[in-house]
Amino acid sequence: QIQLVQSGPELKKPGESVKISCKASGYTFTDYAMHWVKQAPGKGLKWMGWINTYTGKPTYADDFKGRFVFSLEASASTANLQISNLKNEDTATYFCARKADYWGQGVMVTVSS
Amino acid sequence: DIQVTQSPSSLLASLGERVTITCQTSQSISNNLNWYQQKPGQAPMLLIYYATSLQTGMTSRFSGQYSGRSFTLTITSLEPEDIANYFCLQHYSAPWTFGGGTKLELK
Repeated sequence: QIQLVQSGPELKKPGESVKISCKASGYTFTDYAMHWVKQAPGKGLKWMGWINTYTGKPTYADDFKGRFVFSLEASASTANLQISNLKNEDTATYFCARKADYWGQGVMVTVSS
Repeated sequence: DIQVTQSPSSLLASLGERVTITCQTSQSISNNLNWYQQKPGQAPMLLIYYATSLQTGMTSRFSGQYSGRSFTLTITSLEPEDIANYFCLQHYSAPWTFGGGTKLELK
């Protein structure tokens, strides 16, 4: 069955970096784009952008240009999200989602000094 | 950006009751809207895609309709396992945008 399994929760300090992974199984990884979505505590969902899993080309929503990087380890059917220079407002749960259908379980990233 | 206004933000309903949740978009998106159910600590689950199509494996208690820029998710007869958060997503154009969510609780 189709599954997206994300890495575990992260606790980071402001200014640090974090890398979140999303391992796909049950389908051909390169057939579907991978999207990333942010859900801050008590807030709604925000689309961060997507990565073409065939070409590796990322597309970022305006609010996520600069400190956010989508990448792939295609041989491992894994998509990654790296956030650098973490800020308090990056505290959120980050989801990967295969196109618009299957979602990962989410990764809670807490940024606190 | 396309705005998606979801209502109500919270809803109290009784078991067996018919429940309706609405998303209104700021511009026409054809049928490019999905509905999801999310329970605490779990991944969102796709219920309805392209406004009216029931995702494989989902109960037929869920249905979707649309007219113009107004989209509705209906639960025909509320069951205990339907207690969750629901949200819609427009994927007509980037940036994709979400409704604000509806928290469905038992009365």
